[in-house]
Amino acid sequence: QSVLTQPPSASGTPGQTVTISCSGSSSNIGSDPVNWYQQLPGTAPRLLILTNSQRPSGVPDRFSGSKSGTSASLAISGLQSEDEADYYCAAWDDSLNAVVFGGGTKLTVL
Amino acid sequence: QLQLQESGPGLVKPSETLSLTCTVSGGSIRSTGHYWGWVRQPPGKGLEWIGNIYYSGSAYYTPSLKSRVTISVDTSKNQFSLRLTSVTASDTSVYYCARLTGVSTFESWGQGTLVTVSS
Repeated sequence: QSVLTQPPSASGTPGQTVTISCSGSSSNIGSDPVNWYQQLPGTAPRLLILTNSQRPSGVPDRFSGSKSGTSASLAISGLQSEDEADYYCAAWDDSLNAVVFGGGTKLTVL
Repeated sequence: QLQLQESGPGLVKPSETLSLTCTVSGGSIRSTGHYWGWVRQPPGKGLEWIGNIYYSGSAYYTPSLKSRVTISVDTSKNQFSLRLTSVTASDTSVYYCARLTGVSTFESWGQGTLVTVSS
């Protein structure tokens, strides 16, 4: 069982906006920044959003992140077929002194 | 452009030690502000952080593996390594090495290497 909680699956049709949630606690999301990773099928993860809402160079602005209290969200607007992937949130946990990942959300583009 | 490449045996016997090396190219392992880390992913499952190390040798490990894991760095070879002792079938995973910004942001990843624990 993961320290950060994500829905196991999400779906949407092309062009729609999909939101993926990530729930934690005061020792991780509540006190440290959240990062999001995208893992396309058969590939290594890649950094999608850092420090709650910043996009690394090369990440389309269709991807956005936010954080409020002990929860974070990843929004994908203008959904495209190539967005079909697994998405993971992660943060540092001050109590565990460890990086903690969410269990991952599999996004299906219908 | 920074590149990371994992290397090591793809098959390890139960109770033995898993050893992997990550070779860094296109950048120095001594770069300030960057940790170097390992993450694993069992087949069909999610990501699990193993540990991080700074070039000075300062390391963090996940509590569940702390008694069996050692991460070390060889600055002369621009490499860092993972050692996991007393492996069981549950250690079968794809193992990724990565560069971090700070201690928790995995900014660059290797392609991953599958390690199977089986007799």
